[in-house]
Amino acid sequence: KAGVTQTPRYLIKTRGQQVTLSCSPISGHRSVSWYQQTPGQGLQFLFEYFSETQRNKGNFPGRFSGRQFSNSRSEMNVSTLELGDSALYLCASSQLAGTYNEQFFGPGTRLTVL
Amino acid sequence: DQQVKQNSPSLSVQEGRISILNCDYTNSMFDYFLWYKKYPAEGPTFLISISSIKDKNEDGRFTVFLNKSAKHLSLHIVPSQPGDSAVYFCAATARDSNYQLIWGAGTKLIIKP
Repeated sequence: KAGVTQTPRYLIKTRGQQVTLSCSPISGHRSVSWYQQTPGQGLQFLFEYFSETQRNKGNFPGRFSGRQFSNSRSEMNVSTLELGDSALYLCASSQLAGTYNEQFFGPGTRLTVL
Repeated sequence: DQQVKQNSPSLSVQEGRISILNCDYTNSMFDYFLWYKKYPAEGPTFLISISSIKDKNEDGRFTVFLNKSAKHLSLHIVPSQPGDSAVYFCAATARDSNYQLIWGAGTKLIIKP
């Protein structure tokens, strides 16, 4: 079974631009969650989607948004990029809703904002 | 405020000995705890979990202990192997946060030959 894939793996943007990251979950998984990881910090929860509905949202500004498609693939968008948005963005999928269930993570997208 | 704290950024242990990774939390409503392991350039992988109704859960070489009164949990790895070298994250969740996972900053475990 193929794992969680994230594209692109690396991205360089400048302040003020916007970016879209993509995540393809494991086949059959309907829950997709997004996390931001910065150096020295744990993973910060962004949001969780289940069956195309946002089920839960973390404490991030409205510049961070996401969506899930009918095939469970998910995208995350960050508008008006700031230097502090430079981070590793991780996507995770699971069969059941709820981030307390075992999640399977992709390798992440490394975003650098200049 | 950090609700889940892993106070040791790194830990070095001799191969074959016991590795003990610690995690402290502040929210007494947390009722489920998980450990994930992360290798460089890979996403975290689930290791073991424990519910607040238990004080111990074991899976092979990995055992997690929960001390609710001290708001402390620990992960024991016995015996430690070179492949255990990784960053270990502790995470916790509670019904009052809609079961959103709160993660610690991680502890880098280095197993020395």
